[in-house]
Amino acid sequence: DGGITQSPKYLFRKEGQNVTLSCEQNLNHDAMYWYRQDPGQGLRLIYYSQIVNDFQKGDIAEGYSVSREKKESFPLTVTSAQKNPTAFYLCASRSVGGQGGAEAFFGQGTRLTVV
Amino acid sequence: QQPVQSPQAVILREGEDAVINCSSSKALYSVHWYRQKHGEAPVFLMILLKGGEQMRHEKISASFNEKKQQSSLYLTASQLSYSGTYFCGTGTSGTYKYIFGTGTRLKVLA
Repeated sequence: DGGITQSPKYLFRKEGQNVTLSCEQNLNHDAMYWYRQDPGQGLRLIYYSQIVNDFQKGDIAEGYSVSREKKESFPLTVTSAQKNPTAFYLCASRSVGGQGGAEAFFGQGTRLTVV
Repeated sequence: QQPVQSPQAVILREGEDAVINCSSSKALYSVHWYRQKHGEAPVFLMILLKGGEQMRHEKISASFNEKKQQSSLYLTASQLSYSGTYFCGTGTSGTYKYIFGTGTRLKVLA
């Protein structure tokens, strides 16, 4: 079955530590996205990528980094520069052809907690 | 800029109707609507295209206003399963950027 796989489901980070969240898709979508969701809040765009080896900052990119070495993979690193990283992180992908662009497909999310 | 949704939260009894609005500072050329259950990923409900074409989902429909800067989601004869947080999602013309509205929490009571 096609879909998006995020791992791990739960992640604990110590102060000052970098952690990497994995996102893999087998939907053959060109565009991939990372969103952050805080409790009771909406989804805010961190980074997005439309093609291999190219990505763009979203609205809250500070303290995060990404790479897109393969079409299928878009890992997110939460660096020590991100002072308040505790949140629910969602990876998504889209096919952007056609009228209006297609809907986003999501992974099941990674819940990151600073300990 | 993130589209603003209203109301922020709404409580309904089963069978009642609700309207959720998504307002943008720029004209929307397409809008997708999603529902998210607590602790889960958002699930796509329907798309609303520039020409007004839409897909219906169960008893849910959507529309654009005249200037295409606001989309409204209509939930008819709500069911318990409609509870969750609703988001509008939209792309930005000429880029691959895709953002979501601020969200509307909906709770349906028996």
